[in-house]
Amino acid sequence: DQQVKQNSPSLSVQEGRISILNCDYTNSMFDYFLWYKKYPAEGPTFLISISSIKDKNEDGRFTVFLNKSAKHLSLHIVPSQPGDSAVYFCAARGTNTGNQFYFGTGTSLTVIP
Amino acid sequence: KAGVTQTPRYLIKTRGQQVTLSCSPISGHRSVSWYQQTPGQGLQFLFEYFSETQRNKGNFPGRFSGRQFSNSRSEMNVSTLELGDSALYLCATYSGVSSYNEQFFGPGTRLTVL
Repeated sequence: DQQVKQNSPSLSVQEGRISILNCDYTNSMFDYFLWYKKYPAEGPTFLISISSIKDKNEDGRFTVFLNKSAKHLSLHIVPSQPGDSAVYFCAARGTNTGNQFYFGTGTSLTVIP
Repeated sequence: KAGVTQTPRYLIKTRGQQVTLSCSPISGHRSVSWYQQTPGQGLQFLFEYFSETQRNKGNFPGRFSGRQFSNSRSEMNVSTLELGDSALYLCATYSGVSSYNEQFFGPGTRLTVL
């Protein structure tokens, strides 16, 4: 049962443009959401998070938006840089879900110079 | 602060063998989770240990087991290896206390089953 879904396996964007990565979830008890970035042969690294009491969180070029009614979150990267090329995973957890983190299947972002 | 370490980084085994992977968490982190990553499947949750007790478990067969020691280091064991067990195995740790802390991942162990 995939409770966190990333329906786009891949995305290509020109350097300098905006990259938008999407994530949907099904469990309304999730209250904390995270994005991770993963390069080949490395473990995922934490990028940005948002709690359910907010609808937006910014950190430099990265902004995460949360739409609780739609059970949807997105990661915006502006401007996109070639070094952003990686696989991005969204994750979610809830205090009523046993503190387990649930991950999506990932979106492979390619930023074209 | 030292990061999460996993050993070994690479392993090649044959079908039917067993394997033990190790994860050392960041100092002070009491929760250790294990994930299996295969192409197209994302990160599949195996189990989580917190203070030497299994706190959560994913949908994997009993061939996959784990344990955690008093120093929070964790081991994962896979018995009777199958070809489909070839994957990147990641461990992730966090303090285990607050609900609003991110997990920190190790570099992973790449297991190849021949």
